[in-house]
Amino acid sequence: EIVLTQSPGILSLSPGERATLSCRASQSVYDRYLAWYQQKPGQAPRLLIYGASTRATGIPDRFSGSGSGTDFTLTISRLEPEDFAVYFCQQYGSAPALTFGGGTKVEIK
Amino acid sequence: QLQLQESGPGLVKPSETLSLTCTVSGGSISSTSHFWGWIRQPPGKGLEWIGNIFNSGSTYYNPSLKSRVTISDDRSKNQFSLKLSSVTAADTAVYYCARVWFGSYFDYWGQGTLVTVSS
Repeated sequence: EIVLTQSPGILSLSPGERATLSCRASQSVYDRYLAWYQQKPGQAPRLLIYGASTRATGIPDRFSGSGSGTDFTLTISRLEPEDFAVYFCQQYGSAPALTFGGGTKVEIK
Repeated sequence: QLQLQESGPGLVKPSETLSLTCTVSGGSISSTSHFWGWIRQPPGKGLEWIGNIFNSGSTYYNPSLKSRVTISDDRSKNQFSLKLSSVTAADTAVYYCARVWFGSYFDYWGQGTLVTVSS
């Protein structure tokens, strides 16, 4: 099983700042098969990024994903008030076995 | 627009079987492009993939839950279902159903339903 470790656990930033979230895999993720999700309180997760760097439909371009192998990054270029949420990474390189990271909470400083 | 809706009891007794159904509208679960899956989230914690079902009824389960999980579908009703047996308090969670793009990432989600395991 591929274990995903996200860091930091909590990121305290102000609106307008840049957010950099990390997702590290216990072994190489095949073909950059990694996705990112945003979850707000009381809501289901929303797909942001798949294939490590492809934005899902309707996702603003301030969200970008990068990385390969075992190290992946989600960057929010300038935080908007609605971006304060929890973010999860998920790998599907070992599909059909799928795993999620533990999440990073982006909170208002 | 594809929509998914979970339904089922919100309270299950320990050692019993948790049963949930996901009703899909705006699309067909018979699609050969998509899998359909279940994910859960204990209160205040992260996401855990439970399992997927595909077109012909092929199923794939999280190894940690495999002995207790059954996912099935009813194409006449455009629904798929989850059964989790021998539940304990550790199975208390919000359960989500979702569409799985080619068995990979989850692109459409239901709103989730909280299931509490308690006597």
